[in-house]
Amino acid sequence: DIVMTQTPLSSLVTLGQPASISCRSSESLVHNDGNTYMSWLHQRPGQPPRLLIYDVSSRFPGVPDRFSGSGAGTDFTLKISRVEAEDVGLYYCMQGTHFPFIFGQGTKLEIK
Amino acid sequence: EVQLVESGGGLVQPGGSLKLSCTSSGFIFSDSVIHWVRQIPGKGLEWIGRIRTKDNSYATVHTASVRGRFTISRDDSNNMAYLEMNSLKTEDTAVYYCVRHISFGGSGLDYWGHGTLVTVSS
Repeated sequence: DIVMTQTPLSSLVTLGQPASISCRSSESLVHNDGNTYMSWLHQRPGQPPRLLIYDVSSRFPGVPDRFSGSGAGTDFTLKISRVEAEDVGLYYCMQGTHFPFIFGQGTKLEIK
Repeated sequence: EVQLVESGGGLVQPGGSLKLSCTSSGFIFSDSVIHWVRQIPGKGLEWIGRIRTKDNSYATVHTASVRGRFTISRDDSNNMAYLEMNSLKTEDTAVYYCVRHISFGGSGLDYWGHGTLVTVSS
């Protein structure tokens, strides 16, 4: 199975400052169809995850534009341009190119 | 509004069986690929498997740790998906989520139910 490695595992960020989370896969996430199926999800305590970014850089409808995704091949990044209080929680990357789909370990974002 | 609601969780003994249900509304269920994902309380997410649509022969894929024990199925006439779990182990204890595959191309899990807790314990 593919291994998804997220860094950092926790992040303490000041309100209004940027945050960045990296995700590295053990194999290329380029699908046979030429697309790359990497997504990012956010989970608040006691809530199910919600989709933020799909296909590396496409923002899901309703997701604020302070969230952006980038990357290619095996290295991907989620950036929050200016962290807000509601952004606390766990962030997961997920590869949907190869079966089984695999999630990263999660990154805990807290406000300083 | 897209909604997915899981039910059927509970306490079961090791070696036992349980069938989870997922009731959907607010979208064309028969056109949607459905996944099941689980989360051990306080831990990360594990993808269990998915079922495609009738046009794709209801094809299923299950992750290795549950293959041969868990089966995903669906009933499009009632907008329901199911996760049948047999030979349950203590390590199957988790919250189980029913999740929709993104509807407009690409790959992502766009709508999640709130989950149902399965506890495997003697």
